[in-house]
This record gives sequence, C-alpha cells and structure tokens, in this order.
Amino acid sequence: DTAVSQTPKYLVTQMGNDKSIKCEQNLGHDTMYWYKQDSKKFLKIMFSYNNKELIINETVPNRFSPKSPDKAHLNLHINSLELGDSAVYFCASSQWSSGTGDTQYFGPGTRLTVL
Amino acid sequence: GNSVTQMEGPVTLSEEAFLTINCTYTATGYPSLFWYVQYPGEGLQLLLKATKADDKGSNKGFEATYRKETTSFHLEKGSVQVSDSAVYFCALRYGNKLVFGAGTILRVKS
Repeated sequence: DTAVSQTPKYLVTQMGNDKSIKCEQNLGHDTMYWYKQDSKKFLKIMFSYNNKELIINETVPNRFSPKSPDKAHLNLHINSLELGDSAVYFCASSQWSSGTGDTQYFGPGTRLTVL
Repeated sequence: GNSVTQMEGPVTLSEEAFLTINCTYTATGYPSLFWYVQYPGEGLQLLLKATKADDKGSNKGFEATYRKETTSFHLEKGSVQVSDSAVYFCALRYGNKLVFGAGTILRVKS
C-alpha cells in the first residue's frame, strides 16, 4: 500500500492556467506538507497543515493555495501558472510532535511543467 | 537562522569504495538531523536520523554521527554499490520544519 500518494505524477500546462495537485496519506498522520524542488534539486517547504489548520506558510505567492478537507488529504491549487512554477512538488506527512524528530514521509512527487 | 551546508557534487566513486558526504549545520537550539535519499525518478526516503548529540544513525550500511562540537552530521558508508547512486540530502528539523541542504549527487561506477 502506498503511504503518501500524489496525483497527477506529471502535469504539463500552459502559462496562465489554473491547476491542482492532490495528496493523500494513509499513515494516520495529523500533519501534512508541501515542498517545492527546483531544477537544481533544491528543496524548500511551502506549507504545512496540522489537523486541517495551516501552521507553516513560507513566503509563497498568493497564487498558491493549499486546502485540507481532512487530516488525510492536502491539495495544492495554483492559479495563473507562470514559467517559474515549473518544478517537482512533493507532499509529505508526519505525526505532530514537539521536536522529538518524527520522520516525514514523502510522496513520489508531481513534476509540473509550465509552457 | 537555520541552515544546512552539504559538500557539492557530483561525487563519483568506484564500486566498493569508501563514501563520505560532508554536512554541517547552523541552528538555534538542538535540532534533529536527518539524511534523506532520492533515487532517480522517485520521492525522498528517510535514510537515517539522530535526535541528540553523539547519537549515531545507521541504515543499509550508511552511518552518521550527530557532532554538536563541530555542528556536523557527515554520512559514511564503507563500501558503496552501484545501487547507491542517488541524490543525498542532509536536513535539520526544528519544530515541524525540515530545512534541507542542496543535495549531493552520488554516482557509483561498476
């Protein structure tokens, strides 16, 4: 069984379009994340939700809006796509802790290409 | 602020060679430290972790020791295999944020 799954795996779209990426985890975790990996493999956190509440919101354009309908799902909606949004987006999940080093489990990634 | 610095790659080794990938960090307090691995076309997988000073994380022949005095968490493996070819990320965790290094590409030749 896949622990953290993302759909779609690949997404090719035109500039200006609106698109969504979905993420689901079946690990029973209460915290989920979105990361962006650029063309140089650099990974940076974008958002995190704990029990459907936004707890981390890095400096990300307003065009990006995460939505968590329940603890097992965290979707990422992107409006007015730009060329610079091309990247691999990773979803992850973990169990909330107060700094004891709980592991984050990552999905397989969604490669977004904006033309 | 919190940051992680890794040695630049790519690192190219022959099979059965010894591997070291350097990682140093800057952090307030005492973060947990991780090594993640990304195989071609896949997501990140946790390789090993350490949560306090002098802890040693180990998995699949890889090891790293949390050194507070040198703020380091270097990854080592005594004998690499072709199947170890991947991108390796050092990361620190404070609160629920993971801060990653830039990643080091490892290529192992047979």
